Parts: sequence; C-alpha cells; structure tokens
Amino acid sequence: GAGVSQTPSNKVTEKGKYVELRCDPISGHTALYWYRQSLGQGPEFLIYFQGTGAADDSGLPNDRFFAVRPEGSVSTLKIQRTERGDSAVYLCASSLTGTFQETQYFGPGTRLLVL
Amino acid sequence: RKEVEQDPGPFNVPEGATVAFNCTYSNSASQSFFWYRQDCRKEPKLLMSVYSSGNEDGRFTAQLNRASQYISLLIRDSKLSDSATYLCVVVPHTGRRALTFGSGTRLQVQP
Repeated sequence: GAGVSQTPSNKVTEKGKYVELRCDPISGHTALYWYRQSLGQGPEFLIYFQGTGAADDSGLPNDRFFAVRPEGSVSTLKIQRTERGDSAVYLCASSLTGTFQETQYFGPGTRLLVL
Repeated sequence: RKEVEQDPGPFNVPEGATVAFNCTYSNSASQSFFWYRQDCRKEPKLLMSVYSSGNEDGRFTAQLNRASQYISLLIRDSKLSDSATYLCVVVPHTGRRALTFGSGTRLQVQP
C-alpha cells in the first residue's frame, strides 16, 4: 500500500514568510509525528498527534510553529515569520496506534530553504 | 550531554568486513531501542529493534546493555549496499512516543 507522503518535496521561501507543509500518513494510522532534521544531525522531534489531538508538542521550538490534524488523517505543519535557522528537512512519520514499541514509518520529507 | 551519542564516523571498510557501531544513551528510564538506516537524501527506515536479550537479523546483530546504557550494531560480511548512515534511536520512557535519534554513524563500504 501507499506509504507516508509529504508535499511539497522542496520549498524555498524568504525570511519572514509563512509556509505550510503537508503530511498524508499511511491509511488507518492514528499516530502521526513531525520531526526536523538539520544537516549532519539526526531527526529531532517536534510534535505527536493521536487522532486529531496533539498529544505531545514539547518539541516545537517556539510559537512560530504550529501543527493541525483536523480530521485525524492529513496533518499540516505551519511556520510563521520564517527564519534562516528554520532551513531543514521536515519529516513526517506515522504509526498504527502510537504504542512506544511500534515502528514509525517516515515520509520522504520536505526540504525547506529560507533565504 | 546529548541524550543519544554516536561516533559520526565515517567508517570506511572493504566489502566482506565486519563492522560494529556503538551508541550510548543518557536516560536510564528509556524503554525502547532501535537502529534506523538512512540513505543519502532519503528518509530513515527501521533496520531493527533492539532487545535486552540481543537479536539477529541475517548479517545484522543488535545488542543492548541496560547497565551501561549502551547499544551496539554489528554488520557481518559487509555489502556495498550497506553504505548508509545508521541512526541509533531511543524512546525515553513509556509516557512519550517520540523517537530520540543520535546524530548517526556513516558507513562507506568500499569495493
């Protein structure tokens, strides 16, 4: 079946602009995660959804970052007033029910470049 | 101190070699452990889970030492296709679902 998909695959924006990144999880997966990966580093957790609700948003770096999952499927990560330091690959992952032993399946990521 | 620490490498080994990667984690309450593989400009993919009793999957063997807070991955008979970055991953405790990644160890298998 289809894996996790993310759009756009690449996004170039100017400092101060607003961006939205979209994630389509694997069908039937209730848990959805956003991570951010900078060059030479491992992915860093941003936020975790269980169904429609954000169960853990402790990784969001500041209030410029916000994410929603209104119908418990597709999620959108929103970044306001982008800064050059926001440049990274934004990865989305999903898992079936969200238990801690479950495999998280990652999408191909959105490469964000803030000029 | 980082929660999960790995030697960044790169490890350059010839085909057929055996190579081992180590990883240490700081949170003694950590509950789940994994090795993920990431190819250049691709997403991470689960390689294997790591259990206290140790586990093997073909040429790959993973070990966990809870007392020393240490995880290892052994790759036997390296193939060119094993060239990738190997990410050590920990789930800190049962209350959290987020994966905590190390920075990764890069492996380059040479012909």
